[in-house]
Amino acid sequence: DAGVTQSPTHLIKTRGQQVTLRCSPKSGHDTVSWYQQALGQGPQFIFQYYEEEERQRGNFPDRFSGHQFPNYSSELNVNALLLGDSALYLCASSLSGARPLNTEAFFGQGTRLTVV
Amino acid sequence: QKEVEQNSGPLSVPEGAIASLNCTYSDRGSQSFFWYRQYSGKSPELIMSIYSNGDKEDGRFTAQLNKASQYVSLLIRDSQPSDSATYLCAVWNTGGFKTIFGAGTRLFVKA
Repeated sequence: DAGVTQSPTHLIKTRGQQVTLRCSPKSGHDTVSWYQQALGQGPQFIFQYYEEEERQRGNFPDRFSGHQFPNYSSELNVNALLLGDSALYLCASSLSGARPLNTEAFFGQGTRLTVV
Repeated sequence: QKEVEQNSGPLSVPEGAIASLNCTYSDRGSQSFFWYRQYSGKSPELIMSIYSNGDKEDGRFTAQLNKASQYVSLLIRDSQPSDSATYLCAVWNTGGFKTIFGAGTRLFVKA
């Protein structure tokens, strides 16, 4: 049973460029959340996708956008990269619904983005 | 006030001792509570989930939840050097449909 997989694992981009990160959820999961984790900080919620729509969004600018595909995989796009966007980007998958066990989120290995 | 607060540490305990990690949260509507372990340079790993008041034990780990005090804790018994990591407290609530993380507590277990 494959867990959450993310690609690529590392990425170096130049300021002003655009980047796309990819995530495949754990088998059986239908909800994908994206987090940004700066060095020494906890993961910060970017947004969540369910049924191919953005269900919830954190305090991130519109430069951050996403997409969910019919197979539940997801992409995170960041436009006009800034130096401050350098971070570990984490994808977490879970199940929909409010039953407690459904709220358990499992993380992929992350994508380390460096903006120079 | 931060939604989920933890002492940043570092918390240093000798091998074999009990490590106690604490977390408070602000939203009384929170329903699910988690502890994640994160080794340096790696992604968070879910180690405990707790949903109702009281204690929940899993091996050397015990999670404690007190919703009236909006307080969650994690006890690690017989601490090992391999337990040295950052421990993240996370909270989920129905209204937000999202999991909010604290900044984490760094734990060092000295051999």
